[in-house]
Amino acid sequence: DAKTTQPTSMDCAEGRAANLPCNHSTISGNEYVYWYRQIHSQGPQYIIHGLKNNETNEMASLIITEDRKSSTLILPHATLRDTAVYYCIVRVTISGYSTLTFGKGTMLLVSP
Amino acid sequence: SQTIHQWPATLVQPVGSPLSLECTVEGTSNPNLYWYRQAAGRGLQLLFYSVGIGQISSEVPQNLSASRPQDRQFILSSKKLLLSDSGFYLCAWGTSANEQFFGPGTRLTVL
Repeated sequence: DAKTTQPTSMDCAEGRAANLPCNHSTISGNEYVYWYRQIHSQGPQYIIHGLKNNETNEMASLIITEDRKSSTLILPHATLRDTAVYYCIVRVTISGYSTLTFGKGTMLLVSP
Repeated sequence: SQTIHQWPATLVQPVGSPLSLECTVEGTSNPNLYWYRQAAGRGLQLLFYSVGIGQISSEVPQNLSASRPQDRQFILSSKKLLLSDSGFYLCAWGTSANEQFFGPGTRLTVL
C-alpha cells in the first residue's frame, strides 16, 4: 500500500470547515483513498473513500487532486463531537479480501 | 443492519496467563474479519484477517493466534501473555466494497 503523510494535529473552531490534508505521492492507478476517524477509546469509524473523482456523503467531502498525489477531507461545519484522530489510508481494492494499514493520523481538535 | 460485538470491554491479566478475546458479527454472511491492535500513542496494526471459516492469515509474527470456528465468530488467543501484549484490540468486518466496520474494542492491560 502507498504511504501517506498527514499533519500530526490541527485545530478548528466550532461551526467552521475543517480541511484535513493528506499526501500520497506514491499512489498507483488502482489505489483508493480512504478516510477513517477514531474518537478516543472507540473503534475507528469509516468516513468516505474515493478513487479520482471528488466524493460527498452525509459526513464529509473528499477532494482528490487531478494527479491523485494528495487529497483533502472536508468537514463542512465542524462540531465538538468531530474531535478525533483522522486517518488517511491508500490501498488497493482486492476482490475477496483487503486490509487496511493505519498510520498515526491527524488529531483534530474542535474548540468552542 | 449489521452489528459487531466484542467482549470483554476491559481486561487486566498477569504476565504468563492465557488470553481469549471474542468477536461476533450479526446481520451479514461470510464477512471478512480482522483483528487490529492499537498500542498507546500509536496507530492501528493489523494482526490477523480471515476470509472464511478456518482461514486465518497473519500480518506480523507475534505471541498471539486467531481462530474462526464459525462464520461470524473470530477469536484472538494467547497461551502466555507478555507485557508488550497490552493495548486496545479491535475486531472489524469488511464489506465487498472494502469498507471496514469496527467493534467497540477490548482494552487489555498485562501486569
